[in-house]
Amino acid sequence: QKEVEQNSGPLSVPEGAIASLNCTYSDRVSQSFFWYRQYSGKSPELIMSIYSNGDKEDGRFTAQLNKASQYVSLLIRDSQPSDSATYLCAVSQLNGNKLVFGAGTILRVKS
Amino acid sequence: NAGVTQTPKFRILKIGQSMTLQCTQDMNHNYMYWYRQDPGMGLKLIYYSVGAGITDKGEVPNGYNVSRSTTEDFPLRLELAAPSQTSVYFCASSQGYSNQPQHFGDGTRLSIL
Repeated sequence: QKEVEQNSGPLSVPEGAIASLNCTYSDRVSQSFFWYRQYSGKSPELIMSIYSNGDKEDGRFTAQLNKASQYVSLLIRDSQPSDSATYLCAVSQLNGNKLVFGAGTILRVKS
Repeated sequence: NAGVTQTPKFRILKIGQSMTLQCTQDMNHNYMYWYRQDPGMGLKLIYYSVGAGITDKGEVPNGYNVSRSTTEDFPLRLELAAPSQTSVYFCASSQGYSNQPQHFGDGTRLSIL
């Protein structure tokens, strides 16, 4: 079992819709969770971090964490073509030294 | 704000050549990382460092070496380049605590021919 799993996609949504991206992780004691966006040919950029169960909202983005079920999700409301990118889920290991990245989900927003 | 700076941005090497990928950060971060990303794949950790003079292997260290003589710099050395090392290399840094995210450089696109 991979430590961090994401559906590779592509996930296609129409402009203005809600995009839902999911990530599951295997290490039950993981404490910190991050979502990165990576445009084609560019480096990953942090868009959300979440540390406790529940929802965290930042503009059009909402991160959801459920530690009991070991999943974290990212919702993008009012999706725009500029949101088309690969979204990487990252989970910190217990000692905090390293992040484990999922392979990413490709999101395509169609206008 | 420079953040994490990587040089060069692009490089073509011949099989068997060696080179050093440079990475420097100006955020006074203790932790630094080297990743490689193959087309359509996620990030794989090559080496990381928790402070000057301290380095450790990641998931895919074979064929690479690192050093960390200062807080700012974390160069990655490729010895005897092989086609399998064709990839995009990202350097990242963080404060290192588990609740701190990593900040990435723009990457070095390396081709081994």
